[in-house]
Order: sequence, then structure tokens, then C-alpha cells
Amino acid sequence: AQSVTQPDIHITVSEGASLELRCNYSYGATPYLFWYVQSPGQGLQLLLKYFSGDTLVQGIKGFEAEFKRSQSSFNLRKPSVHWSDAAEYFCAVGSGTGRRALTFGSGTRLQVQP
Amino acid sequence: DAGVTQSPTHLIKTRGQQVTLRCSPKSGHDTVSWYQQALGQGPQFIFQYYEEEERQRGNFPDRFSGHQFPNYSSELNVNALLLGDSALYLCASYRGSGNTIYFGEGSWLTVV
Repeated sequence: AQSVTQPDIHITVSEGASLELRCNYSYGATPYLFWYVQSPGQGLQLLLKYFSGDTLVQGIKGFEAEFKRSQSSFNLRKPSVHWSDAAEYFCAVGSGTGRRALTFGSGTRLQVQP
Repeated sequence: DAGVTQSPTHLIKTRGQQVTLRCSPKSGHDTVSWYQQALGQGPQFIFQYYEEEERQRGNFPDRFSGHQFPNYSSELNVNALLLGDSALYLCASYRGSGNTIYFGEGSWLTVV
């Protein structure tokens, strides 16, 4: 069965510092991978997705992620964090027919210090 | 262009009651999925509807049922509510051939 692990429950970074959020997945075939962001009390906003092709994926708000098959990882990065990036971040793998039934990790809460 | 819309935003129900949540997919989308997100956890897949039929289902009991209408909107029904059903229920939609899945703001259900 598919699964997603986000090892870091809570991360605090200073504004302007770089960010990397870790994601490891388990899936038998070529995965469809997603990163979503959720602000308190809100729904999920898609940051980026990987289906195939270039393993470095660019997303919105200056985020990028790199798919590494050998490490079963899909880490999210941002070179310079803004205070507005404080939120909960979820990594997900798509499975099932069409690989669009998403299995989410437990999330990483990002706190940004001024 | 409206995104995925859900109603109601918040509701409180008593244990044992039944609840219906509603979702209108993003314009042009024909597939709707439902997720349950308990406090402090990631969303969990409940089921997915396409062409008015349930196509995939996650590990949820039969108390959770759904429906999709000809206009692609969808309902999630939960019977015999338990305290543990208290959660944020998220609706997601996409076009069958598309690869971008959009989520609504969710419906907060509190069971007392």
C-alpha cells in the first residue's frame, strides 16, 4: 500500500532563510506526487505536482521540489522564506485508477520568525 | 471562475444523527473526491465519484456514502454519527484527463 512520511512535524526558520521540507513516499509504480499548503482553517492549495519528465518541478510562490526515485523522496524547497509562508505543508502521492486518489503525509507546520 | 465550493461551512450535530455535505466542483471538472481531515492530521481519502458512480473508495465504513448529480455536484452523507467523525471534510475536483486537483475550503463538522 502507498504511504507518505513527512519526518518533520514542526520547522521554524527565520524570514529570508532557505527552506527544505522533507517527504518520503512508498508506492509500487511511478508516483504522482503533490505538495499542498494549508493556512489555518482553510482548504488546501496546490503548490506543485510531479507526474513525469523533469525531476525538478517549479511551483507557485517561489517553491520548487525535486523528485529522487532512488531515495523515494520529493522534498520541497524555497530559497528565501517570507512571513506569509507560515502554514501547514502536506506532501501527497496519487494512487488508484488514474492515480488521483491522494494519500497524504501528516504534514509539516512551518513557523517563520521575523 | 468559481473554484470548488462547499456547504455548509460549519455545522454541529448530535451523536447518532445523520449529516449531508455538499460540493460543487470547479467549472469544467467532472470528477469529485471527498476527504476527511481530523484535527492535526493529513486528509484521508473517503471516495471518488465520476459519471455519477463511486469509482474508488478509501478505508471508511459504509456509514459514509455519497452521490454525484448530472451537473457533477456531489453530496457526502454520514449516518449514525460518532464523536470521532468530527473533522474537516474536504471536497476536491478535477477534469478526468487533467492532472491538477483543486480543493474546496471544507466543511467543519462537530459531533457532540
